[in-house]
Amino acid sequence: GAVVSQHPSRVICKSGTSVKIECRSLDFQATTMFWYRQFPKQSLMLMATSNEGSKATYEQGVEKDKFLINHASLTLSTLTVTSAHPEDSSFYICSASLLDSTVETQYFGPGTRLLVL
Amino acid sequence: DAKTTQPPSMDCAEGRAANLPCNHSTISGNEYVYWYRQIHSQGPQYIIHGLKNNETNEMASLIITEDRKSSTLILPHATLRDTAVYYCSTTSGSRLTFGEGTQLTVNP
Repeated sequence: GAVVSQHPSRVICKSGTSVKIECRSLDFQATTMFWYRQFPKQSLMLMATSNEGSKATYEQGVEKDKFLINHASLTLSTLTVTSAHPEDSSFYICSASLLDSTVETQYFGPGTRLLVL
Repeated sequence: DAKTTQPPSMDCAEGRAANLPCNHSTISGNEYVYWYRQIHSQGPQYIIHGLKNNETNEMASLIITEDRKSSTLILPHATLRDTAVYYCSTTSGSRLTFGEGTQLTVNP
């Protein structure tokens, strides 16, 4: 149980284009979904927190107009990197939280590797 | 969320127990301790969590000190597939903050 998928797993795009990444909780309804970014040899950095039907909460320094988050249902959240540039190349990982009695546990997707040329 | 401190790397022999320490001295009373691991180029995998009691599941055991300022993740019989970066985190609500983690290398 608690499986989270991401699509695509890998994407290469030209500078200036937009890229959409999907995150789905396959066997549970997620209270909250999260988006992280990870650069090589670094830890995960939280970008934003997303709840179904409401606007995402972005971490300090993350541009909300550049990283658009849509959380259309309790099982689907999307991250769109708009006008991508080479510095946006990174490993993007989503997670979905599952409420178990009194605590919410995050389960992570497999990640999406973005390369902007 | 409380800051966590972990050693950057550890080695363990295959078949032996791996004991991974984590310091979270500023943890507050309602914060849980979570452990995840990340194998290269994959998303983090949930391992175990606890509040104040020791916990055990099919993957590992979590030992939390009585003052809750530190914890140890125990992999009882490490295998080569346990080689990964192990992250200790504390959370209040559902938000996680990842530190730098410990690179565990299991050697044959």
